[in-house]
Amino acid sequence: DAKTTQPTSMDCAEGRAANLPCNHSTISGNEYVYWYRQIHSQGPQYIIHGLKNNETNEMASLIITEDRKSSTLILPHATLRDTAVYYCIVRAGGNQGGKLIFGQGTELSVKP
Amino acid sequence: GAGVSQTPSNKVTEKGKYVELRCDPISGHTALYWYRQSLGQGPEFLIYFQGTGAADDSGLPNDRFFAVRPEGSVSTLKIQRTERGDSAVYLCASSTSGRSTGELFFGEGSRLTVL
Repeated sequence: DAKTTQPTSMDCAEGRAANLPCNHSTISGNEYVYWYRQIHSQGPQYIIHGLKNNETNEMASLIITEDRKSSTLILPHATLRDTAVYYCIVRAGGNQGGKLIFGQGTELSVKP
Repeated sequence: GAGVSQTPSNKVTEKGKYVELRCDPISGHTALYWYRQSLGQGPEFLIYFQGTGAADDSGLPNDRFFAVRPEGSVSTLKIQRTERGDSAVYLCASSTSGRSTGELFFGEGSRLTVL
């Protein structure tokens, strides 16, 4: 079973920041938070991941709360092409890495 | 490009038939994953290979499903006696290793329809 809880859907205006929340209250100390997205009819695409610290890359920022029980994915300037299902995933660390367990995700609709 | 390649992209078969789905991972990736995705659902884990061996096959739903990766590169997912409930998109992914920080690269999937 997925270890995360996300809203089913969200809307965002084009050009504005999209903030996607995720709850992972049972996360263990060696588990990472991963975000993937899936654009319609394509395979999932990696966005970002983190353990404790906030992370930023060219696609997004990941803010993890101090107690690590929740996180937020931020797309700073959403475009229509960011319309997709976004999955927040908790994954074991070290050599136990292996599989990702996907939940239902958040369907983000970016509107003009 | 040099991404994960899956064939066929679409397969229509009749109930009871045997089906093989092929995955060509990114060159040099030692870890390979199979998932299946039904309409409106997130991808469901099936099996994970590290090299030639199945490191975790806990997601295979029953003994009609089998996957191989004999040379540690290409993998084939085999489904015997297909049922209508097997209709889904079958996704393959690969990564440089099975470690937690290894990003998974997914293919476009093989859409299986069982009539």
